[in-house]
Amino acid sequence: KAGVTQTPRYLIKTRGQQVTLSCSPISGHRSVSWYQQTPGQGLQFLFEYFSETQRNKGNFPGRFSGRQFSNSRSEMNVSTLELGDSALYLCASSRNTGELFFGEGSRLTVL
Amino acid sequence: QQPVQSPQAVILREGEDAVINCSSSKALYSVHWYRQKHGEAPVFLMILLKGGEQKGHEKISASFNEKKQQSSLYLTASQLSYSGTYFCGTEDFGNEKLTFGTGTRLTIIP
Repeated sequence: KAGVTQTPRYLIKTRGQQVTLSCSPISGHRSVSWYQQTPGQGLQFLFEYFSETQRNKGNFPGRFSGRQFSNSRSEMNVSTLELGDSALYLCASSRNTGELFFGEGSRLTVL
Repeated sequence: QQPVQSPQAVILREGEDAVINCSSSKALYSVHWYRQKHGEAPVFLMILLKGGEQKGHEKISASFNEKKQQSSLYLTASQLSYSGTYFCGTEDFGNEKLTFGTGTRLTIIP
């Protein structure tokens, strides 16, 4: 059974640019959550999608957005990048609630 | 609001025991525990639901005291493979999003 796949794994952007990250959940999983991980802050919840609808949202500015497609694949977008957006972005899928299966993440560096 | 984990870091010798605590200011519905090894994705360990249950996973077990809004993770006879950062995640009533603590870094030395 394939795990959660995130692309790209690494990327470098400059301030002001935008970025789109992709997440393919485990087959059959309809819930996709996104987390930002930085040293000292742990895992900060961004948003969760279930059946193409945003079900929960964390306390991040509107520059952070996401969506989910009918095949449960999800994307998140960060516009007008800032230096502080440099982080590991983790995607996790689950059937509905309960155990989360994490991908290996997309490491974003903003210069 | 993030749950608070303690200690932030701990170093143990192989075979020693460890306890990692997680506390919240909110009434909790569930507590999740995950372990993340360096450079890898977090991996699920267990979920504890409201009801004060205790669960086990090999030599790793956990308890959930809903009255105190606390959970503790117990690692007995630690092995080198237990090294990593442990995160607790909490769900409170009416809010299904999982909020993680800042993690506890566990280092096991031979």
